Amino acid sequence: QSALTQPASVSGSPGQSITISCTGTSSDVGSYNLVSWYQQHPGKAPKLMIYEVSKRPSGVSNRFSGSKSGNTASLTISGLQAEDEADYYCCSYAGSSTFGGVFGGGTKLTVL
Amino acid sequence: QLQLQESGPGLVKPSETLSLTCTVSGGSISSSSYYWGWIRQPPGKGLEWIGSIYYSGSTYYNPSLKSRVTISVDTSKNQFSLKLSSVTAADTAVYYCARHNLVFGWYFDLWGRGTLVTVSS
Repeated sequence: QSALTQPASVSGSPGQSITISCTGTSSDVGSYNLVSWYQQHPGKAPKLMIYEVSKRPSGVSNRFSGSKSGNTASLTISGLQAEDEADYYCCSYAGSSTFGGVFGGGTKLTVL
Repeated sequence: QLQLQESGPGLVKPSETLSLTCTVSGGSISSSSYYWGWIRQPPGKGLEWIGSIYYSGSTYYNPSLKSRVTISVDTSKNQFSLKLSSVTAADTAVYYCARHNLVFGWYFDLWGRGTLVTVSS
């Protein structure tokens, strides 16, 4: 199981939209609609933002949305706010042989 | 409101066994809908799933750690535990416990605050 590939950093100004990509393979992202996204502020535990590619847990702003095309999943944040500055991690189920999953390396979002 | 709390030694010597416990409060660990998982994060690095357990004792482990990992559950105490053997400095990390939706999906929807474990002599 190799880590999913994310850009190390992205940035945007308040009010703008940004997209973070998460590239896997046909064995994980490409085969299952089981991609999730987590937000992590410094020194804090990760927080679930998106699950099953595009579903939002209760309480998560509708400014956060997810999608998938082929082996690449994406997280889009619209109407950027200062509080969105954090690290973001994607995660995908990687197959029934181990019922395991794999995380991406993380993306640092900077709100300019 | 369901909460998870990790506990255990913050310092472990190389070659020894790391042991942590996660206590679940505000709800039952015996829920039929969830597994309970461990995830770690080395300082300044990304997340790594270690393994997960169902209240019945059924487990799934990350293949890269499987030979050194044991996860167990104690439903009477509403706790589950992690043991990682033969540790090295590379096992230094913040260790999180989390509720794992593995029955209907594959995601972690509630997390503990995490505990830093340092491997050093």
